[in-house]
Amino acid sequence: SQQGEEDPQALSIQEGENATMNCSYKTSINNLQWYRQNSGRGLVHLILIRSNEREKHSGRLRVTLDTSKKSSSLLITASRAADTASYFCATDGGAGSGGYNKLIFGAGTRLAVHP
Amino acid sequence: DTGVSQDPRHKITKRGQNVTFRCDPISEHNRLYWYRQTLGQGPEFLTYFQNEAQLEKSRLLSDRFSAERPKGSFSTLEIQRTEQGDSAMYLCASSLVGSGNQPQHFGDGTRLSIL
Repeated sequence: SQQGEEDPQALSIQEGENATMNCSYKTSINNLQWYRQNSGRGLVHLILIRSNEREKHSGRLRVTLDTSKKSSSLLITASRAADTASYFCATDGGAGSGGYNKLIFGAGTRLAVHP
Repeated sequence: DTGVSQDPRHKITKRGQNVTFRCDPISEHNRLYWYRQTLGQGPEFLTYFQNEAQLEKSRLLSDRFSAERPKGSFSTLEIQRTEQGDSAMYLCASSLVGSGNQPQHFGDGTRLSIL
């Protein structure tokens, strides 16, 4: 079963708007990662945030992490049609949860950005 | 292209047949992972190799599934006596050994359809 849960399951916005996706998880983590998946393709790594970090930026992406609430958010600013994809958060399981190696994914948020 | 390569991209077979997929990781990566993804869901961990050693297997990996990484480079995933429920996208990922804070790089997957 999946550990993480993304919210919302689907998001539809216009180009230029910001998109915010949330992720919750259940166990302790070493890090949390966000991935993007275009239809029929593999996952592309976007950003990794360590458990001792609270916020991280990469281009138009901003990720926050609140370990006390076991939640993370991904913000995409000034969205483009090319951002249309599914977005997944993944946790590493942390110590005592099978190790640091495997990723545990949520069901994802399907983002549609309309021109 | 020096990313993770998977072959074939698509496989259609009849129930009961055996299938084998291949994954070529990024050359300097010594960790290799297999995941399975069904429609509308996030990937689920199947198994993990560090070099040629298979260090972890999910309970999802029934005895009909076997994975190998004989020389610590490419890996194969074989499914024997395929069943309808095996229809899914099979994703391979690789990463470097590190402190646990290493992103995984995914291939485009092999989509398996069981008739």
